[in-house]
Amino acid sequence: IQMTQSPSSLSASVGDRVTITCQASHDIRNSLNWYQHKPGKAPQLLIYAASNLETGVPSRFSGSGSGTDFTFTITSLQPEDIATYYCQQSDVLPLTFGQGTRLDIK
Amino acid sequence: QVQLVESGGGVVQPGRSLRLSCAASGFTFSNYGMHWVRQAPGKGLEWVAVISYDGSNKKYADYVKGRFTISRDQPKNTMYLQMNNLRPEDTAVYFCAKDVVGRGGYSLWYFDLWGRGTLLTVSS
Repeated sequence: IQMTQSPSSLSASVGDRVTITCQASHDIRNSLNWYQHKPGKAPQLLIYAASNLETGVPSRFSGSGSGTDFTFTITSLQPEDIATYYCQQSDVLPLTFGQGTRLDIK
Repeated sequence: QVQLVESGGGVVQPGRSLRLSCAASGFTFSNYGMHWVRQAPGKGLEWVAVISYDGSNKKYADYVKGRFTISRDQPKNTMYLQMNNLRPEDTAVYFCAKDVVGRGGYSLWYFDLWGRGTLLTVSS
């Protein structure tokens, strides 16, 4: 299953609402997860099963969607949110990731 | 402390072999499936392989099938990736990641714990 993530990069201001989309080439139900990755650090799970917030993750992060179209949102961008974000389908093997969205501060 | 620590990366020539290790701590290692995921320089994340909680099932991405072998040593709380016949395109940071287990005890195939990775460079 191919995962098409957009945009590939994004520049926004602190406090902005940020949206990233991920499209699957086949129906993956709600088997879609979102990760944050900062350089030199371990990736971190933010959202699982399309819309569930991982324990300890700030509530400004959210996810929605099902089937083939998914959305990840940061409601109020904070400086510490600068990172690359990836979607990942967990419906079938081989597991696949989107190409990533590099987010920085304007 | 709940963590995964990868080791074993380095610089190797094409065609050679190398074994990566992933040491787990702070959780019951034998209850969880484990994965390897890699990131080539300047590229995104790419899934490599998975091993079930008990080591009985192993699956691989096509681009490593037949060359890489995933394994685990339960008493040592350690997972391995034996990589043979290495190619320049295998150059990447290799991460190990812990699977999430559903209510029925089956793997959900997403990752709630990752290591920081170990860098493999395949070059002559």
